[in-house]
Order: sequence, then C-alpha cells, then structure tokens
Amino acid sequence: GESVGLHLPTLSVQEGDNSIINCAYSNSASDYFIWYKQESGKGPQFIIDIRSNMDKRQGQRVTVLLNKTVKHLSLQIAATQPGDSAVYFCAENRRGGADGLTFGKGTHLIIQP
Amino acid sequence: KAGVTQTPRYLIKTRGQQVTLSCSPISGHRSVSWYQQTPGQGLQFLFEYFSETQRNKGNFPGRFSGRQFSNSRSEMNVSTLELGDSALYLCASSLQTGSDNEQFFGPGTRLTVL
Repeated sequence: GESVGLHLPTLSVQEGDNSIINCAYSNSASDYFIWYKQESGKGPQFIIDIRSNMDKRQGQRVTVLLNKTVKHLSLQIAATQPGDSAVYFCAENRRGGADGLTFGKGTHLIIQP
Repeated sequence: KAGVTQTPRYLIKTRGQQVTLSCSPISGHRSVSWYQQTPGQGLQFLFEYFSETQRNKGNFPGRFSGRQFSNSRSEMNVSTLELGDSALYLCASSLQTGSDNEQFFGPGTRLTVL
C-alpha cells in the first residue's frame, strides 16, 4: 500500500486565505520530496521540491516544510487564488530513484469565493 | 521549448487487445518515466528509460513493457488488455536518470478498456 499519504482527501479554503496541505511518509531513507499540482485533464505540474538536508524551502507563494523526525511534509500556499484549485500530490524518491517517484493519494484543494 | 507530448490523448480498446502509447520528451531530456494513474491506486511508477535502456521498473506484470529510441522518444505497450488497465497513462521526462531530477509530465493518454 501507499506509504506516502495525505491526511485529508479534500481541503476547502476561502480565497485569499493561506492553505496548508499535509503529507506523511514512512521511508526514512527517502531523500527527495516533491509537490505536484494536477488540474483536471492535465498531467501533474511541478510546484516545489526539497531535499532531505533541508527543512524548509520557499518558492513563489509556496513553502514546503520537511520534518524528518516525524516524517512529515507540508505545502503552504499563501493568499490562495481560484487558479490554485487542483489536486495536490506529494511524492518521495526512494532507493535513489529505483522505485521511481512514490506518490500520495492527493488532496483536492477547493477555493471558496 | 515544447513540453512533453503524448499520443494519442484518448483510446478505447477491448479486453484481450494490445495497445501502444507514445511519449515525446522535452528536447534535450534523455530520461522518460511512465506512470499509471487510477482513482483507486493513484499514481504508480511503471518504468524508466534512459539512453534506450530500462533503468528502473515498478511492480507491474510483464504485460506492460516499453522501449526508448535513439531520439529519446518512448513507447509503452500493454498486451492482453484487462478491464483494470483502464487508466490515465502519464509519461514524464527529465534531463538525467533517477527520480531526484525534476520530472516534467505530459498530459497523459486516457485508456479505456471495454
């Protein structure tokens, strides 16, 4: 079964608020983590990544936090916009990529006007 | 620079048939990975090709196979189709092998098996 999972299948937030999407992983040997966004009818789109030697990384309106102690990953989206509506996946790289990327089930982010 | 392209976008087949899907990576990318996406199992890794060689393989039966050409274009084949093979098949390209390189996904091929 999946060891990279998300805590909530659906997250509803008000436009303009900050969104936090969580992910738990179980393989402590994983050293690379990525967040993807998938809109309806499209392939996953890279948002941000983080390597295990870091605990925080920031992009444009997005921040990824990695807590290796509890094997937890989160994606924070600032000032959520209607265009942020999508399914968000976390993915981990296990065994140096020998297993490809292992994806979580995804969280559907819904933006309320 | 053009993104990853996949053909066809939609496909309908019947059980027992075989199917071939095509993926053209971003220019200059030498690694192509294939994933299957279903509502029940989510995104699952099929295999990765780099320099015309299969580098890594996921946990799928031998009915699923692939290849890569000298121009880095890749094809995947599924033989003796089953109903459960209905899925969105995604390919992703990256500059180098190994999934710790940023992977760019195509729009996918939606396969329906009747």
